[in-house]
Amino acid sequence: QVQLQQSGPGLVKPSQTLSLTCAISGDSVSSKSAAWNWIRQSPSRGLEWLGRTYYRSKWYNEYAVSVKSRITINPDTSKNQFSLHLNSVTPEDTAVYYCVELERGYWGQGTLVTVSS
Amino acid sequence: QSVLTQPPSASGTPGQRVTMSCSGSSSNIGRNTVNWYQQLPGTAPKLLIYRNNQRPSGVPDRFSGSKSGTSASLAISGLQSEDEADYYCAAWDDSLTGWMFGGGTKLTVL
Repeated sequence: QVQLQQSGPGLVKPSQTLSLTCAISGDSVSSKSAAWNWIRQSPSRGLEWLGRTYYRSKWYNEYAVSVKSRITINPDTSKNQFSLHLNSVTPEDTAVYYCVELERGYWGQGTLVTVSS
Repeated sequence: QSVLTQPPSASGTPGQRVTMSCSGSSSNIGRNTVNWYQQLPGTAPKLLIYRNNQRPSGVPDRFSGSKSGTSASLAISGLQSEDEADYYCAAWDDSLTGWMFGGGTKLTVL
């Protein structure tokens, strides 16, 4: 059974970097049939896809246009996990953040991240 | 404004059949498969339908999905009180190079 376990702070100051990690059990971050996504959800923006990382003989990253200049998603094969880094955050980045394998329906538990001073 | 358009609400009585729509374009639903997710209050979304009409194991066959052109539909038959939730459609968009979600349909069981 695949499980995704998220970790990271729930409060980030404006202009700083939001960082979250998603540890995978029961599957591999290097799986050639999976793609590991970050999605966020807020009342104002609904469900918003942020980006993904996946391995198909080499690593690929794809990011949403809305956050492309601020986002990095990194796989960590040694720890079988992947991370989200979103810099220069503003209060509009306040949301519940999920790590997700969308096609197979694996979701992390969600992390409410509040951007506030 | 979501790229995929869903009606904000739907309702039905227990035992009834309810359908909800998801409208997109040639760059998303027109070219790629559609997933549906169910979100109960306070929980993460759950995959209900993948690749237009496939059910993950454990999802009752009361739930079914279909796609035609640039639109998709989710049908729930034999409606139950526990089906009261938010339902979201999603599809990959080739032009925007990303997953797009609908705004969600809130299902009320009367």
